[in-house]
Amino acid sequence: GNSVTQMEGPVTLSEEAFLTINCTYTATGYPSLFWYVQYPGEGLQLLLKATKADDKGSNKGFEATYRKETTSFHLEKGSVQVSDSAVYFCALSGSLAGGYNKLIFGAGTRLAVHP
Amino acid sequence: DVKVTQSSRYLVKRTGEKVFLECVQDMDHENMFWYRQDPGLGLRLIYFSYDVKMKEKGDIPEGYSVSREKKERFSLILESASTNQTSMYLCASSPRRGNSPLHFGNGTRLTVT
Repeated sequence: GNSVTQMEGPVTLSEEAFLTINCTYTATGYPSLFWYVQYPGEGLQLLLKATKADDKGSNKGFEATYRKETTSFHLEKGSVQVSDSAVYFCALSGSLAGGYNKLIFGAGTRLAVHP
Repeated sequence: DVKVTQSSRYLVKRTGEKVFLECVQDMDHENMFWYRQDPGLGLRLIYFSYDVKMKEKGDIPEGYSVSREKKERFSLILESASTNQTSMYLCASSPRRGNSPLHFGNGTRLTVT
């Protein structure tokens, strides 16, 4: 079945460092791929998405490219800030009964950025 | 902005109690979901609903049931709470069309003692 694998955390970085969080997936067909972020005490919110191969999603300085050949969707940011400290979830769209959309999530990667 | 509101941020219940977790969304979304979030396991789908009075089991429905009497409200019910149901519960909603992003509530942290 469909699944998502993320790198284990926590990832600890200094402010202005380069960030990569790896995500690989297993899926049949052509799912859409997502990154969600969860700030402390909050629910998840969509960070970016890509709907087909070679698409690049971007938002708030974060980027991820849908790589079908390597089944990957790695999250990157050139210069992290303390305010980026959060848990990041990679997800892919799968199908539910009746064809309705659902998301399959990775385990999450905690990012801690220090001044 | 879409708002998904979960009625409680924190709940403490005793083993064997019947527990109701409530979720309301204000964007007329057809789809609603209940996930539980556990460290190292990510989010796992418990139940979802794609219309009023419709419900479907997710990946881990055992020990849970749901109710959707109105489009905006989706309730998760623990018939007889057990300690292994201590977790963070997240409600989400989305429009029916495919690949729409989910909008999440802030979660309910349930502790069963």
